[in-house]
Amino acid sequence: RKEVEQDPGPFNVPEGATVAFNCTYSNSASQSFFWYRQDCRKEPKLLMSVYSSGNEDGRFTAQLNRASQYISLLIRDSKLSDSATYLCVVNRRGSQGNLIFGKGTKLSVKP
Amino acid sequence: DTAVSQTPKYLVTQMGNDKSIKCEQNLGHDTMYWYKQDSKKFLKIMFSYNNKELIINETVPNRFSPKSPDKAHLNLHINSLELGDSAVYFCASSPRTSGTYEQYFGPGTRLTVT
Repeated sequence: RKEVEQDPGPFNVPEGATVAFNCTYSNSASQSFFWYRQDCRKEPKLLMSVYSSGNEDGRFTAQLNRASQYISLLIRDSKLSDSATYLCVVNRRGSQGNLIFGKGTKLSVKP
Repeated sequence: DTAVSQTPKYLVTQMGNDKSIKCEQNLGHDTMYWYKQDSKKFLKIMFSYNNKELIINETVPNRFSPKSPDKAHLNLHINSLELGDSAVYFCASSPRTSGTYEQYFGPGTRLTVT
């Protein structure tokens, strides 16, 4: 089982749609969780951290279920500019900054 | 005012050659990393340095040797390049070594070995 697994997509949605990405991780001792965004041929950039109580940043909502080892990202009112690959990222406990990246889910928002 | 910079951006070379990639960050961070993103888009950590000290060394062939002359620089030297080394190499930095901190990535170096 991969350490971090994501549906690779692609997800093709119209502008204004709501889209949800799921991610599972295998190490129950992981303590930090993130969503990064990577545009085509660009570097990854932090979208948001994921907290146990769930957190929201504008149109983006992240949820964490430690019992199920499951992380989600919800994007509401999709914009064309949201088109990118979304990477689920988990730290490896005790690894001093060793982040494990999922393969990413590609999102394409169409007019 | 680039935060994390890498040179070169593109590198095309032949098998067997030795090449280096340079990375610099002006964020004042203590920790720097090298990642490899292969053709299947998996992003995997290779090395991490904290204040010039190696703290993470994943299973990477010893043809790859990182060097950190100071905490703002982390270079990657690759000996005897192989076809399988073709990938995008990203440098990153973070304020501390803890995995709770955001990592800032450089623009990447696209290495093609022919």
